[in-house]
Amino acid sequence: GAGVSQSPRYKVAKRGQDVALRCDPISGHVSLFWYQQALGQGPEFLTYFQNEAQLDKSGLPSDRFFAERPEGSVSTLKIQRTQQEDSAVYLCASSQTQDSNQPQHFGDGTRLSIL
Amino acid sequence: AQSVSQHNHHVILSEAASLELGCNYSYGGTVNLFWYVQYPGQHLQLLLKYFSGDPLVKGIKGFEAEFIKSKFSFNLRKPSVQWSDTAEYFCASRSGGYNKLIFGAGTRLAVHP
Repeated sequence: GAGVSQSPRYKVAKRGQDVALRCDPISGHVSLFWYQQALGQGPEFLTYFQNEAQLDKSGLPSDRFFAERPEGSVSTLKIQRTQQEDSAVYLCASSQTQDSNQPQHFGDGTRLSIL
Repeated sequence: AQSVSQHNHHVILSEAASLELGCNYSYGGTVNLFWYVQYPGQHLQLLLKYFSGDPLVKGIKGFEAEFIKSKFSFNLRKPSVQWSDTAEYFCASRSGGYNKLIFGAGTRLAVHP
């Protein structure tokens, strides 16, 4: 279908390695969000893009986390020097416009395990 | 800071039982409220949403929720659950002017035939 696509579905990395997680939003969707979902918790906001502009990065937990959306479509979330506490499911969501009443459509997530 | 709390982490019901999942939000201004569902192995899907107007909101699959401003609550209900309703349910809020969603911790519902 034409939903939000995330890759990889699963990623295992050793502590200290860098990882990159990809999100393909629904075609034409202006807004893109990243969330982090720890085990047994609800998703927590990380960052928000409107087209290529990163308008809110208040949820990024440290400067090891970096997100980009250079052409206003695909987005990449990069985590440098991974730590065990980075283990979580990383969710991407997109919405059609920047209007706050537009629903967010979620991908299946990337499950990241740091050994 | 805004927060959303869900009262029950695990709920077990038999088929045909009635369901009510509690949700309270902290923000006192204009809020948009949502219930999302995550079926096993699937992505989060929107069940229903409240922005304004009628405080009783009807969603997909027979679910409804009632916005009670005086109680800061947005409880999810279904009169008769089915085995296929087994899933995790998340309440979320979004305040006016911001686009990010603030989620509760979720409620795992198991429905036994």
